[in-house]
Parts: sequence; C-alpha cells; structure tokens
Amino acid sequence: DAMVIQNPRYQVTQFGKPVTLSCSQTLNHNVMYWYQQKSSQAPKLLFHYYDKDFNNEADTPDNFQSRRPNTSFCFLDIRSPGLGDAAMYLCATSRAKDGEQYFGPGTRLTVT
Amino acid sequence: AQSVTQPDIHITVSEGASLELRCNYSYGATPYLFWYVQSPGQGLQLLLKYFSGDTLVQGIKGFEAEFKRSQSSFNLRKPSVHWSDAAEYFCAVVHKGRGSTLGRLYFGRGTQLTVWP
Repeated sequence: DAMVIQNPRYQVTQFGKPVTLSCSQTLNHNVMYWYQQKSSQAPKLLFHYYDKDFNNEADTPDNFQSRRPNTSFCFLDIRSPGLGDAAMYLCATSRAKDGEQYFGPGTRLTVT
Repeated sequence: AQSVTQPDIHITVSEGASLELRCNYSYGATPYLFWYVQSPGQGLQLLLKYFSGDTLVQGIKGFEAEFKRSQSSFNLRKPSVHWSDAAEYFCAVVHKGRGSTLGRLYFGRGTQLTVWP
C-alpha cells in the first residue's frame, strides 16, 4: 500500500543534542510537510517542500531545519533540542498544494 | 483570514448513539474542507473531504459531513457510534489560490470524543 512512513516512531534525545527525524513516502507526491503537535493541540505547520522548493513558516524557530534529498524522503533536523521541543512530529504529503494531505504515524520526541 | 472553529472541546456519547461534531469556518471563497481523525499516539487519518459538488459527502468508517455555505459549517455525523470511534477529530480548511500560504491547512482545535459502553 502507498503510504507515508516515519522513523523512528519514538525518539529520545538529550537537551542540546542534535536529532534527525525521517519521513519517506511511496505516494510520489510533490509536496511534503512537517508539523509539530503538542498535547491536546492541533498540528502546527513548521515548513513544507513543493518539489525542491522549501517554504518555511515565519514563526518556525531557526533551530528547526529540513532537507529533501529526493522526492521520496524528507528529514527534520533539530539542531539543539530544548525541553519545549518535546512533541509529536508529523510528516504529511499531498499531490498538489491544495489537495488533501496524507499523514504519517508521527514520531514522538522526548527531550531529557 | 482563514480560520476553523470547533466549539466542542470534548463530547461524550454512548455506544450506538448518534454523533454530530460541529465545525464552522471562515474563508473568502468556496473552501476545501476536511475532517481528520487521530487516535492516541497516531497520525491523522483523513475521514472525508469536500471540494465541490454534492454538499453531503460520505467518508470512511460510516461518517458523513454536510457542507452548508449559508451557515459556514461542515459538521461531521455518524448515525451509530462504535467504541472504536473514540479519538480526536480535527476539522480543517486548506488555503487555495496563490501565494506562499497556498496549501496551508488551517485546523480547528479538535474535539475529543469519548464513547461509553
């Protein structure tokens, strides 16, 4: 089945230690998104790629970076995680920018 | 500006009872609307969507939603709730048109559904 895959599902990192979250898709979608979701809140968009075109949200901290080496993969890098970055990180894809988005299962990040 | 309002933070229903989750949106043109469901510790699953055409849309798991332009609403319904429907439900509208915000999903704050046996 075509899908959005996120690895790992659970990630524990230390305060200030860089961490990378991975997302891959078999849908061949043009657009890939990264969201941060904290407990009992709606997902918050961090950035997205339309093909190789990167779009950062204005309020996304500089601590968060992203890479998309090819159509299938997209990475979220957190350079120096703080306790406030503990959250669920969701990857999503869509064929077109205004189409429905398909979400991965998420990566639960814990910062100790 | 686009926005989505889900007025109910938490709803509790008995298994087998009917369900309606409310969603109101603010958008300048005909919106693209979605309902997503999220089980604990999981990603979001698309239940249904409205782009155009028939205002009553059918989704997965027996859910349906009705787009009412006059009320700026897109309420989600299910005639008989199952215990497995307990989850968080998000209504969302996507920004169409041009500009850097094209494609951005605007979510409501979510409605947590509890189902009593």
